[in-house]
Amino acid sequence: DGGITQSPKYLFRKEGQNVTLSCEQNLNHDAMYWYRQDPGQGLRLIYYSQIVNDFQKGDIAEGYSVSREKKESFPLTVTSAQKNPTAFYLCATSGTPMNTEAFFGQGTRLTVV
Amino acid sequence: ELKVEQNPLFLSMQEGKNYTIYCNYSTTSDRLYWYRQDPGKSLESLFVLLSNGAVKQEGRLMASLDTKARLSTLHITAAVHDLSATYFCAVTTRGQGNFNKFYFGSGTKLNVKP
Repeated sequence: DGGITQSPKYLFRKEGQNVTLSCEQNLNHDAMYWYRQDPGQGLRLIYYSQIVNDFQKGDIAEGYSVSREKKESFPLTVTSAQKNPTAFYLCATSGTPMNTEAFFGQGTRLTVV
Repeated sequence: ELKVEQNPLFLSMQEGKNYTIYCNYSTTSDRLYWYRQDPGKSLESLFVLLSNGAVKQEGRLMASLDTKARLSTLHITAAVHDLSATYFCAVTTRGQGNFNKFYFGSGTKLNVKP
């Protein structure tokens, strides 16, 4: 199946731990994004990547890190520096300039315990 | 920085009624998108509006775009309970290397009462 796969669906983190959220796509899209959504809120951009080995900070990058070693993969690490990481995390991709619609994964719900 | 504002943020309506959700954005944008999100779920694409005057319809939902007014509307006709969800609009700006950065509104939470 073509699409975007995020894993895990649910993730629990202890205080002071780093955790990594996976995002894999087989749509052959160049651009990938990570968004954070808090309850009852809109989406806020954490990081985005236009191409392999390149990524840019979004609006709320502090406490997060990413890598883009392969076109298909854009993992997000939530570090211990992120003071309030409990949220719903969405990965998205978009394709060519002629077809710029963003497609979203199913999301990962991260909870600090 | 491009700003996207939706209103209303909350909308409670009876089945069978009509209503409109508004999406304003602050600077020139290439394209406008509408998404639907069910509770605890991801975002589902509804419409992509590419040019001034564009109108698209799917079932009881119709979206339009006025780029001069920087305004898009999502009109709901004869609402049914299944339309209850949160609706987001988003716009893109063309960046370096044809990269499109997305800006999302805060969402409109729609509750259609039987």
